[in-house]
Amino acid sequence: DQQVKQNSPSLSVQEGRISILNCDYTNSMFDYFLWYKKYPAEGPTFLISISSIKDKNEDGRFTVFLNKSAKHLSLHIVPSQPGDSAVYFCAASPNAGGTSYGKLTFGQGTILTVHP
Amino acid sequence: DAGVTQSPTHLIKTRGQQVTLRCSPKSGHDTVSWYQQALGQGPQFIFQYYEEEERQRGNFPDRFSGHQFPNYSSELNVNALLLGDSALYLCASSLPGLAGRGASYEQYFGPGTRLTVT
Repeated sequence: DQQVKQNSPSLSVQEGRISILNCDYTNSMFDYFLWYKKYPAEGPTFLISISSIKDKNEDGRFTVFLNKSAKHLSLHIVPSQPGDSAVYFCAASPNAGGTSYGKLTFGQGTILTVHP
Repeated sequence: DAGVTQSPTHLIKTRGQQVTLRCSPKSGHDTVSWYQQALGQGPQFIFQYYEEEERQRGNFPDRFSGHQFPNYSSELNVNALLLGDSALYLCASSLPGLAGRGASYEQYFGPGTRLTVT
């Protein structure tokens, strides 16, 4: 039962162009969504997050969009840089009123490669 | 300011043995969560500790147990190791959240311990 899905195992993008990573979820109790980046031999690094009361959150080159009716979120990286090459995970958490507050459910990850 | 640290970095064990992994949270964080990441998969939640108690647990058998110490550091113990327990074990810490709830949403991860069971 995969509650968070990243259907694209990999994405290849040219430097300077936009990278769009997608994530779908099925659990209506998810209320907060996060994106993590992971380099080999390192733990995941928090990138950006969004609450379900918003539909967009921006931080520098990174923007996350949330479409709650479609249970879909996406991460946009503009412009993409070679240093962005990593595995990207989306994660979801139930709301503070739920019993699973603080438990993150992750997708399978998307390998992003940015070519110079 | 040290981030989340984990030890050891790598570990090789034999099937049936027991293992203990250790984690020190980021300064100021009081909640520790443990995740298992199999090859090619996303991290899977094992359990979470807050105020030295296990507050939440994922779908892992009782062979997986843990502990949190008064200084907020934590241990993950796995008994009767199986070949399928081979994975990267990640520890994550988070800031104090809502009163009585422990973790805030954003969790900060350590580099992980790579466990190989032969």
